[in-house]
Parts: sequence; C-alpha cells; structure tokens
Amino acid sequence: NAGVTQTPKFQVLKTGQSMTLQCAQDMNHEYMSWYRQDPGMGLRLIHYSVGAGITDQGEVPNGYNVSRSTTEDFPLRLLSAAPSQTSVYFCASSRRDSYYGYTFGSGTRLTVV
Amino acid sequence: SQQGEEDPQALSIQEGENATMNCSYKTSINNLQWYRQNSGRGLVHLILIRSNEREKHSGRLRVTLDTSKKSSSLLITASRAADTASYFCATSRAGTYKYIFGTGTRLKVLA
Repeated sequence: NAGVTQTPKFQVLKTGQSMTLQCAQDMNHEYMSWYRQDPGMGLRLIHYSVGAGITDQGEVPNGYNVSRSTTEDFPLRLLSAAPSQTSVYFCASSRRDSYYGYTFGSGTRLTVV
Repeated sequence: SQQGEEDPQALSIQEGENATMNCSYKTSINNLQWYRQNSGRGLVHLILIRSNEREKHSGRLRVTLDTSKKSSSLLITASRAADTASYFCATSRAGTYKYIFGTGTRLKVLA
C-alpha cells in the first residue's frame, strides 16, 4: 500500500500564480485534512473533509480551496500564490473513528517568490 | 490560536534517561493524540487516548490525560538517540472532526 501520496514534493511559484497540490490515499479513509507547517508554528489546519462531497474550513483557510469528489483524492488549490504561503504542506487521512490516528504524506515544500 | 500547547519547547537529555513532555489544551475534547516528526519528514502517529481514559501505555511510551486540568503528558522511558525528533499533541474538540496540533516539543537525545 502506498498510504498517502503527495505531489509534487517541491514547487516554486511566482506571486499571483495558481496551482494544485495533489493528495491521494489508498486506505479507504473517510477523513482527510490539509495542514501547513511553518518554522516555530507547528501545524495549522487549512481545510478538512469527513467524506466525499463534504469539506469544511480549518484555522487558516484563506487563499486555499479544496474539493473532495472521491474518497481517495483531496486536492488543495492555491488561487493566487503569495509569499506568505511559502510553507511545507502536509496531507493526512484517517479512519472515521480516528483510533489509529492520521497517516501523513511526506509533504510538499512550496516556495512563492 | 492553537488548541494545544506543548511544554517544554525544547528538551535535551542523555541516552537512557526518561523524557517527559506536556500538552495543554483549551476546550473539551473527543480524544488526544501524540505524533512524532523526524526532521523534514511527515508526522507519525504514536498513541491516542480518549477523553474517558486516564492513562495508556505503548511500548516505551506512557500517556496520561487529566481532563480537569485540560492537560496530557507523554513519557518516553529509556530514551535512545533514535528518539530525537519533534513531538506534537493533537486534539479534536468535542463534537467536531478537525484535529488541531500544538507547536511541538523538540527532543534531542545525546548518545
């Protein structure tokens, strides 16, 4: 099993560009979330989903969109990249009962110049 | 603001010693989880403790939860150099499905 796969691993964007960070899981997990990690800030929740067709905002949703058309995929879209969005982005998934916790992807390191 | 706050922010110990880190949170929770992150990598789930549990063990890990004080502690016994990592607590507020992470404790175990 691949677990949670994030692509790309690294990306450099120019201010104002848009892009989509991909996240796919093959564990049939109901819950999926996107986090960003900045130095000294821990992880902050951007958006999350409790199932296909259901998404909700986290702590820092501005500038990001998500959709969940299938159980497996949960892409994160940056609408108009800003330098403040330079960060490491993690996608994670878990079972509904969360008993085994979240399985994290390896992250996407994004730099906006 | 973050739901969970870990303490201390950084901890340095000798191999073989025990490491204790604490997590405080602000609201009623469903459960509390602890994760480990090695430098530059994704997080790995260590242990989950439900709001009606007070203590849980997993190998060299011991987690306690005090809901009256809204705090949890993670004890790593007989630490090893390989335990060097950042440790995060994550909580989900009662009635919600989103997990909020704390700022983490950076543990360094010296060989």
